[in-house]
Amino acid sequence: QQPVQSPQAVILREGEDAVINCSSSKALYSVHWYRQKHGEAPVFLMILLKGGEQKGHEKISASFNEKKQQSSLYLTASQLSYSGTYFCGTESISSGSARQLTFGSGTQLTVLP
Amino acid sequence: NAGVTQTPKFQVLKTGQSMTLQCAQDMNHEYMSWYRQDPGMGLRLIHYSVGAGITDQGEVPNGYNVSRSTTEDFPLRLLSAAPSQTSVYFCASSYSSSGSLLDDEQFFGPGTRLTVL
Repeated sequence: QQPVQSPQAVILREGEDAVINCSSSKALYSVHWYRQKHGEAPVFLMILLKGGEQKGHEKISASFNEKKQQSSLYLTASQLSYSGTYFCGTESISSGSARQLTFGSGTQLTVLP
Repeated sequence: NAGVTQTPKFQVLKTGQSMTLQCAQDMNHEYMSWYRQDPGMGLRLIHYSVGAGITDQGEVPNGYNVSRSTTEDFPLRLLSAAPSQTSVYFCASSYSSSGSLLDDEQFFGPGTRLTVL
């Protein structure tokens, strides 16, 4: 079952902040965040692991609430280059699903000048 | 490093035809995977491999076969193409430090845009 992302779309002005949420019905080992621009491949942003470890780009901020099985991606002082579709992918702690990412349907972020 | 490469970039097939999408990586990654992405949707895992000779099914494996004879290559074969397989296909690879879980970034190839008529 895929994670649920919210909002589905958001429009910002340059310099504004945004939060993108990802919620799963399963207990999670990790949450992965990717950004995809139109016609291009997804690009890695961050991984948040059970136990608190994070790996990713220094300018990206995110949180992972293991009890609630939720993650949030924080985009501050947005730039035009932040525009794209953001996907969360989850790896659940259940038999047979290790090393499989299940992606949400995405959040389309548009940053206007 | 070339990273993850995919060929072809575009392909049009007729219903019932078979073909192989190629994927190669030069980063010595053990983990490789194939996803499909339909318009307005996220990525769905088709098959994945945790090393040469080891493959497993993902979320949507029906109609696709994979093999992994080398660390570098992970081809995806469409057995008998159907219009429902019209999609963009992405190959990805990753280094996994834990050996059993995905704890590092996946590098995606540029994608293959497939149309089945």
